[in-house]
Amino acid sequence: NAGVMQNPRHLVRRRGQEARLRCSPVKGHSHVYWYRQLPEEGLKFMVYLQKENIIDESGMPKERFSAEFPKEGPSILRIQQVVRGDSAAYFCASSPPTGVENTIYFGEGSWLTVV
Amino acid sequence: KQEVTQIPAALSVPEGENLVLNCSFTDSAIYNLQWFRQDPGKGLTSLLLIQSSQREQTSGRLNASLDKSSGRSTLYIAASQPGDSATYLCAVTAQGGSEKLVFGKGTKLTVNP
Repeated sequence: NAGVMQNPRHLVRRRGQEARLRCSPVKGHSHVYWYRQLPEEGLKFMVYLQKENIIDESGMPKERFSAEFPKEGPSILRIQQVVRGDSAAYFCASSPPTGVENTIYFGEGSWLTVV
Repeated sequence: KQEVTQIPAALSVPEGENLVLNCSFTDSAIYNLQWFRQDPGKGLTSLLLIQSSQREQTSGRLNASLDKSSGRSTLYIAASQPGDSATYLCAVTAQGGSEKLVFGKGTKLTVNP
């Protein structure tokens, strides 16, 4: 049973380009979360999605950032017109449907560098 | 707004020593608390999860305690080994159905051979 798979693991983008980060949850998990870890900072919640629905996006910056979790395929975190301050590690996590168990599994992260 | 603080930020100990990592949170209305391990350049591995109704959890050489009323948790590592070197993160989940985790900044542990 594969864990949470994130790709790319490392991504370099020039200022103004777009970054797309993909996350495939653990098989059978319907809840996906994205967290951001800035240098020397703790992980900060960004968004919580279930299939085709955004449940909580209270941690998402108001502009340039969007996330989706389509019926088929991985969850995507999209950052438009990247700036240097977007350089960070982006972690995806998944958990099973509510009531099954309450363990959350994290991927190994996608490291975004904006130059 | 929930805030999680971890002390110390970094800790260096000789191999074999027992050690305690501390975590405090400002809002005691939590659903659960988890301790994670993060290796450099890697993701997070869940070590122990304590439900709000529980006082402690144990796994091997690790023991985590929770005092919800005072907003504190400790992670005790017995007989530390160099392989324990990593950053240890504490995170809480709020009551009320929110499933998002609020993390501390972590304690970076180095166990010297």
